[in-house]
Amino acid sequence: QVQLRQSGPDLKKPGASVKVSCQASGYTFTSYGINWVRQAPGQGLEWMGWINGYNGDTNYAQSLRGRLTLTTDASTGMAYMELRSLRFDDTAIYYCAREVPATQNFDHWGQGTLVTVSS
Amino acid sequence: EVVLIQSPATLSLSPGERATLSCRASQEVSSYLAWYQQKPGQAPRLLIYDVSHRATGIPARFSGSRSGTDFSLTISSLEPEDFAVYYCQQRVDWPPEYTFGQGTKLEIK
Repeated sequence: QVQLRQSGPDLKKPGASVKVSCQASGYTFTSYGINWVRQAPGQGLEWMGWINGYNGDTNYAQSLRGRLTLTTDASTGMAYMELRSLRFDDTAIYYCAREVPATQNFDHWGQGTLVTVSS
Repeated sequence: EVVLIQSPATLSLSPGERATLSCRASQEVSSYLAWYQQKPGQAPRLLIYDVSHRATGIPARFSGSRSGTDFSLTISSLEPEDFAVYYCQQRVDWPPEYTFGQGTKLEIK
């Protein structure tokens, strides 16, 4: 069965970087995209960016360009999200989600990774 | 920039009642609109894709529809497990760029 397993919670200081991993299994990694979505405490869902599982093409939300990098390792089915220059308002649960290209939706999600930015 | 506006922000209903949630796009969009359900402490779950197609395992009481730039999610008869937050989502550009509505909280009356 399709599974996306994310790395554990992390605590960072303002200005630091965080890297969250997402291990995909149960499907052909290169046939789907991976998107990253975050959710601040008590807030809604915010799309962060997309990476093509086949060729590594990316697109980022305008608000995060310059601080966000998405990468994959297709040989291991891993996706990574790195966010730099962390601010207090980057505190959120970060999700990876598999994108179905033909229907443009996210049909499987990781369990979420809480990243806390605190001094 | 496409904005998805969901209404109402909160909907208070009782089990067995019918729920209708709205998602309005700020401009003409494609038919690739999806709905997600999120329960406390859980990741979102895909309910509906392509406006009206139920995702795998989603009960028939969930349905979606479209009228122009207005999209609706209807739950025909609420079950206790349906009380959650619901989000609509649309891809708005290429390379892929997505947007979510702000969510509707469906709570027990």
